[in-house]
Amino acid sequence: GNSVTQMEGPVTLSEEAFLTINCTYTATGYPSLFWYVQYPGEGLQLLLKATKADDKGSNKGFEATYRKETTSFHLEKGSVQVSDSAVYFCALGTGNQFYFGTGTSLTVIP
Amino acid sequence: EAQVTQNPRYLITVTGKKLTVTCSQNMNHEYMSWYRQDPGLGLRQIYYSMNVEVTDKGDVPEGYKVSRKEKRNFPLILESPSPNQTSLYFCASSPSSSQETQYFGPGTRLLVL
Repeated sequence: GNSVTQMEGPVTLSEEAFLTINCTYTATGYPSLFWYVQYPGEGLQLLLKATKADDKGSNKGFEATYRKETTSFHLEKGSVQVSDSAVYFCALGTGNQFYFGTGTSLTVIP
Repeated sequence: EAQVTQNPRYLITVTGKKLTVTCSQNMNHEYMSWYRQDPGLGLRQIYYSMNVEVTDKGDVPEGYKVSRKEKRNFPLILESPSPNQTSLYFCASSPSSSQETQYFGPGTRLLVL
């Protein structure tokens, strides 16, 4: 079946630290992969996406590369800010459905 | 402004009292979907719709109904709510499929007593 496995949190980092949040997936067909972000009390916003193998999605300093050989889509940022504190969800869309990971809570401290 | 709207945003109800959560999008999207978000479980898809009059079950459809009579609207119906349906619900839409960016509504927080 289709599923997303995401690094468990919570994650606490100091400002300007390097961030990695691991995400692996299982999917039939050729899924599209996404990272969504949820700020406190808000809905979900698309952070970045990739639609085929070896594509790199990027936005606001965040990056993730669609790796078919390792079925991974890890999220990275070189220098986090306090404003990046949020919950991050890895997700895939395939067939007619959409699947989310369990979410990783990130807190960045000054 | 392009958006997905949901109403109500907050709802407290009692077991067995039928309720409807409305969802509307103004982007002429064909694909619409409902999710529930629970701590430790992420978001799980309840139902989705590929177009008007075309709906199908997601991963957790039990206890829910949907309809898609118009392209812009996709209401979620709980005919006999139970406490285990207490959750945060999100509606989303995308241009035509699950492989495109989903645009989310603000969420509806439901408490069933």
